[in-house]
Parts: sequence; structure tokens; C-alpha cells
Amino acid sequence: DADVTQTPRNRITKTGKRIMLECSQTKGHDRMYWYRQDPGLGLRLIYYSFDVKDINKGEISDGYSVSRQAQAKFSLSLESAIPNQTALYFCATSDLRRDSTDTQYFGPGTRLTVL
Amino acid sequence: GQSLEQPSEVTAVEGAIVQINCTYQTSGFYGLSWYQQHDGGAPTFLSYNALDGLEETGRFSSFLSRSDSYGYLLLQELQMKDSASYFCAVRSSSDSSYKLIFGSGTRLLVRP
Repeated sequence: DADVTQTPRNRITKTGKRIMLECSQTKGHDRMYWYRQDPGLGLRLIYYSFDVKDINKGEISDGYSVSRQAQAKFSLSLESAIPNQTALYFCATSDLRRDSTDTQYFGPGTRLTVL
Repeated sequence: GQSLEQPSEVTAVEGAIVQINCTYQTSGFYGLSWYQQHDGGAPTFLSYNALDGLEETGRFSSFLSRSDSYGYLLLQELQMKDSASYFCAVRSSSDSSYKLIFGSGTRLLVRP
């Protein structure tokens, strides 16, 4: 079984709809991240959480919100989706306590299309 | 501000050696990482350099020069399966939090 899972894997929605992307991990890591990937722009950080009570905005948080329901779960919401939020979304985890490189482990991604 | 620069695309022949460069500008630098991503897949970790010098892992090596804010990924004995995008990422500590900043990626195409 995969260590980092994301649901759904694909989603097509309409402008103005509320969307939630979910991420779960079985690695026991304390840190979790949400990234967005657009062609030619690499990975951009949306939100990150270093533990359940510590949530921080990344470089492109506008239009997004997150919830860290438990150490293993980190969800990303688009309150009112717009077409320029069409992208590939990745969840990632890391554990700086046990790994000084802070290596990130990525989920398989969610391809979101907003019409 | 923080920024990373890497070439957008590199082409090489199977069996050859290719070097992908990365220059960065950041505050509170802690290390340079490299990730590989195949089309349709998730990024996976390749290597990490915190100190100057060369780190070797099989066919892949990564180099860092902190004084030059520069690093590179060296891929030897290229194989077709190495065709992928390669991202450098800087671990930095701006605004009192530690996070990775990714470059925009280098697409490597390996030709027969």
C-alpha cells in the first residue's frame, strides 16, 4: 500500500463549486504539505503544516484553505473554484525529527480541472 | 527574494553523461536537493547536499558550492528510463520557517 495517498485522483468541476482534496499518510511523519504544479512552473507551495496545531501559508495560498484533522490527514479546500486553479496538486510529507535532509515524500497527485 | 534557476530542457544520448545545473538565491540556506519526476508521476527524492562537494549515489552524483550558490546533478551511463524532469530544491529558513523552494525543472530527453 502507498505511504501517501490522495483522493480523488482526478476531478472535473465547475467555476464557483467548493472542492476538497484529501491526503492521508501512513509514514508517521509530522510535516505535511500541499503543492500545485503547472506546466513550466515547477512545484509551488500552497500550505504546509508542521504538526496538527501548526499550519502556515505558502507562496500561493490565496483561494485555498486547509485542515489538519490528525497527524495523518491534511485536506485542501477550494472554497469557490476558478479556472486558473486547474492544475496538478500534490500532497507531501516529511519528518525533520528523524531525517535531517527533510526529504519529502509525495502522493500520486490529484488532477483538477475547473471549467 | 528566493529564486532558483535551471535549464528548461536538456537532450542527451543513451550511454552518455549529462549535467543539470542549478543556481539559487535564498536566505538561510540549509541544503540543496534533487528530485526526479516521470511524466504522470510524483516527484521522488534523488539526493541532498548540505556541504560543499560531491555526493555519489550509483549513476547519479550531486555537487554543491555554497560560496557560488550553485549545484549540479550529474547523470552517468544514461538510460532511456532517465528521461524525466529533474527539479532542484533549496531548503531555506526565510520568515522563521523551514521549507523547500523548488526550481521550475529541467526536462531531460534521452535519445537512443
